[in-house]
Amino acid sequence: SQTIHQWPATLVQPVGSPLSLECTVEGTSNPNLYWYRQAAGRGLQLLFYSVGIGQISSEVPQNLSASRPQDRQFILSSKKLLLSDSGFYLCAWSVGRRGISYEQYFGPGTRLTVT
Amino acid sequence: SQKIEQNSEALNIQEGKTATLTCNYTNYSPAYLQWYRQDPGRGPVFLLLIRENEKEKRKERLKVTFDTTLKQSLFHITASQPADSATYLCALEVTGGFKTIFGAGTRLFVKA
Repeated sequence: SQTIHQWPATLVQPVGSPLSLECTVEGTSNPNLYWYRQAAGRGLQLLFYSVGIGQISSEVPQNLSASRPQDRQFILSSKKLLLSDSGFYLCAWSVGRRGISYEQYFGPGTRLTVT
Repeated sequence: SQKIEQNSEALNIQEGKTATLTCNYTNYSPAYLQWYRQDPGRGPVFLLLIRENEKEKRKERLKVTFDTTLKQSLFHITASQPADSATYLCALEVTGGFKTIFGAGTRLFVKA
């Protein structure tokens, strides 16, 4: 069966510090991968998605970046965090069939607080 | 741009009743629509997917309808239980199929 891992679960970082959140998927090949951010009481905001190694699409201009160095690994990074980067970060995967995404499976999330 | 609207007010119902949640969308005609459940501090969990050519989909106590004319989906939980208390998110795919946009969700409280 497929599983998705995210770490760390919680993170408190000062403004201006770097960030690296990691997501890995097991039990499937060539998944579509996604990074979302969820502010308190808000919906999910799509940040990045990837349909293959090294292929990253950005949805929201910001000081965040994403990379996919391996088929089942997705990394979210920042060189300098802003207060507005605080939120609940979720990684998700879906089965990619010729680019059509179906239901998404989410990781446990990372609660990021920038102080 | 595409927009999804879900009732931001929490829905409070009594155990055993049917809960009905509404999802409206504008400026788009999605090929399919999905519903997810999210518990506090957790990632969303996929529940049901319904395609544009399907009027209704059922799974155990869950039922989803999809009216492409009204641009609306209804999500029903029959014989609701306190364990059904959660936030329910509506989501629709965007042209090209690579992306899904999510509504803000409706919080459901089922009282024993």
